[in-house]
Amino acid sequence: DAKTTQPPSMDCAEGRAANLPCNHSTISGNEYVYWYRQIHSQGPQYIIHGLKNNETNEMASLIITEDRKSSTLILPHATLRDTAVYYCIVGWEYGNKLVFGAGTILRVKS
Amino acid sequence: KAGVTQTPRYLIKTRGQQVTLSCSPISGHRSVSWYQQTPGQGLQFLFEYFSETQRNKGNFPGRFSGRQFSNSRSEMNVSTLELGDSALYLCASSAKSDSTDTQYFGPGTRLTVL
Repeated sequence: DAKTTQPPSMDCAEGRAANLPCNHSTISGNEYVYWYRQIHSQGPQYIIHGLKNNETNEMASLIITEDRKSSTLILPHATLRDTAVYYCIVGWEYGNKLVFGAGTILRVKS
Repeated sequence: KAGVTQTPRYLIKTRGQQVTLSCSPISGHRSVSWYQQTPGQGLQFLFEYFSETQRNKGNFPGRFSGRQFSNSRSEMNVSTLELGDSALYLCASSAKSDSTDTQYFGPGTRLTVL
């Protein structure tokens, strides 16, 4: 079972920041938080991952709380093309096994 | 660098047939994982191969099998197809295989079983 809890859906206005929350209260000390997104019927796209510190790349920022029990993915200026299902994944199992939950459907609206 | 490629992209089969799907990882990547995605079950891990060895397997029946070649390309096979095997099959590759490694997914093969 997935170790994460995400809201089923969220809306965001185009050009505004999209903040997607994820709860992972049972995370272990050495487990990473990964974010992927999947645009309709395409393969999941890697966004970002982190362990303790906040991370930023060209796509997004990842904010992890100090107790590591939750995190937020931030898309700074959402566009219509960011409409997708966003998956927060915690942990890694031997053999590169990722356990996906249901994710959050993000709808960016003009 | 070319991404993960999967062939064919679409496939239609009938119940009882078998099917082979192919995945070519990113050049230099040695790990290939396979996932099944259905509307009801979401994304589920099938198995992973690293240097031609299967290292982990999801909870799927023995009809689902795979292999990896010395060039890291991988195939998965589903025998005696059932209607419930209709799904998007995704493969992902990564350079090594540890928790810091990023997995990159291919576009998937859409299998329809009639």
